Amino acid sequence: GAVVSQHPSWVICKSGTSVKIECRSLDFQATTMFWYRQFPKQSLMLMATSNEGSKATYEQGVEKDKFLINHASLTLSTLTVTSAHPEDSSFYICSARNTHAVGYGYTFGSGTRLTVV
Amino acid sequence: AQKITQTQPGMFVQEKEAVTLDCTYDTSDQSYGLFWYKQPSSGEMIFLIYQGSYDEQNATEGRYSLNFQKARKSANLVISASQLGDSAMYFCAMRENNHGQNFVFGPGTRLSVLP
Repeated sequence: GAVVSQHPSWVICKSGTSVKIECRSLDFQATTMFWYRQFPKQSLMLMATSNEGSKATYEQGVEKDKFLINHASLTLSTLTVTSAHPEDSSFYICSARNTHAVGYGYTFGSGTRLTVV
Repeated sequence: AQKITQTQPGMFVQEKEAVTLDCTYDTSDQSYGLFWYKQPSSGEMIFLIYQGSYDEQNATEGRYSLNFQKARKSANLVISASQLGDSAMYFCAMRENNHGQNFVFGPGTRLSVLP
């Protein structure tokens, strides 16, 4: 079945540094990937839709200069949290749609737990 | 307004019993998809079951079935013969086909299976 690899699974960084999270579709091409953020005991909130070869579409309230998204190939999207602060600590998870899959075709990565100290 | 409502923040069920997790949704689209995901403490999102708005029969996947009542805009998940490993967060989600490809998730229900 379709597999989405997300790396790293967890990261601790110092306040003010930047962190890059990778989301890679391993056995299919994904023209569109999605980035979500999840606070403890809460649901997933869509941050942005990442489109291969074009600019990401950000949801209202999400700072595009802080959360840089690059979708340079059909199998890789990256989310960079720039100048991270403790309030950016959260669980980030990506999703990709395999448009050739029967029916739904959405697959999630395993998530990245970011802790900013 | 909330597009996906899950009114049960937490549910308990005895092992081997069946449990129903509620989900109601709000959309003006005629074409949409409804999904249920399981999220264990590890954080991964595990796809369970899908129901298309035009599907006339309720979806079933092993021990999971979806009680789809279109007129009431509800898509409840039924888990039969609960197992201890079913303890997790469960999210109902909707994709509105005329509003892009992204999902809207409900707030989730934490299911605890008791031995």
